Amino acid sequence: LAKTTQPISMDSYEGQEVNITCSHNNIATNDYITWYQQFPSQGPRFIIQGYKTKVTNEVASLFIPADRKSSTLSLPRVSLSDTAVYYCLVEEAGGGNKLTFGTGTQLKVEL
Amino acid sequence: DSGVTQTPKHLITATGQRVTLRCSPRSGDLSVYWYQQSLDQGLQFLIQYYNGEERAKGNILERFSAQQFPDLHSELNLSSLELGDSALYFCASSVAVSEQETQYFGPGTRLLVL
Repeated sequence: LAKTTQPISMDSYEGQEVNITCSHNNIATNDYITWYQQFPSQGPRFIIQGYKTKVTNEVASLFIPADRKSSTLSLPRVSLSDTAVYYCLVEEAGGGNKLTFGTGTQLKVEL
Repeated sequence: DSGVTQTPKHLITATGQRVTLRCSPRSGDLSVYWYQQSLDQGLQFLIQYYNGEERAKGNILERFSAQQFPDLHSELNLSSLELGDSALYFCASSVAVSEQETQYFGPGTRLLVL
């Protein structure tokens, strides 16, 4: 079972780029990495998903190095509304799909 | 709004009791997941169902059980409740069961055991 770790918290200013890294040393060959955003008293919301190299969508980029033992969520030009907890999720493939969420990173964006 | 609904929103009960949490997935989604979120444990995957059948099991206690009905809604049953069961319980749904599937989370049920 992949164990994931993330920084507990990060602070940033509006307009800056924020990079949050998740470590998943025991990731298996077919596992995918997904990032979710969670606001207080709400369920997590999908941000981005990837397997290797780089994935980009309208809100974020996801960088995964060749060894796949970590992944970095990049949020360009954050705003106050990006203040939330960000979780990485490693989904194990091959019958069972056991799901391991990271410890979560509290991002605080200030003016 | 993710399209996933959960009831009740809040639930307060006493130790030793039994409760049932209900989840309705997004229209068309066949897979349902249950998670427990507490301050000290973070988001913990409990169990997954796909089209009525149990698909995967995570850190679910023996006192807990779940099922998915023919109309695809799911229920999570928690029995012999303990103080430590107080947490937010989330349900999520996805179209299928691939590891590439996006999960859509409901608003959660906040359970308080006194």
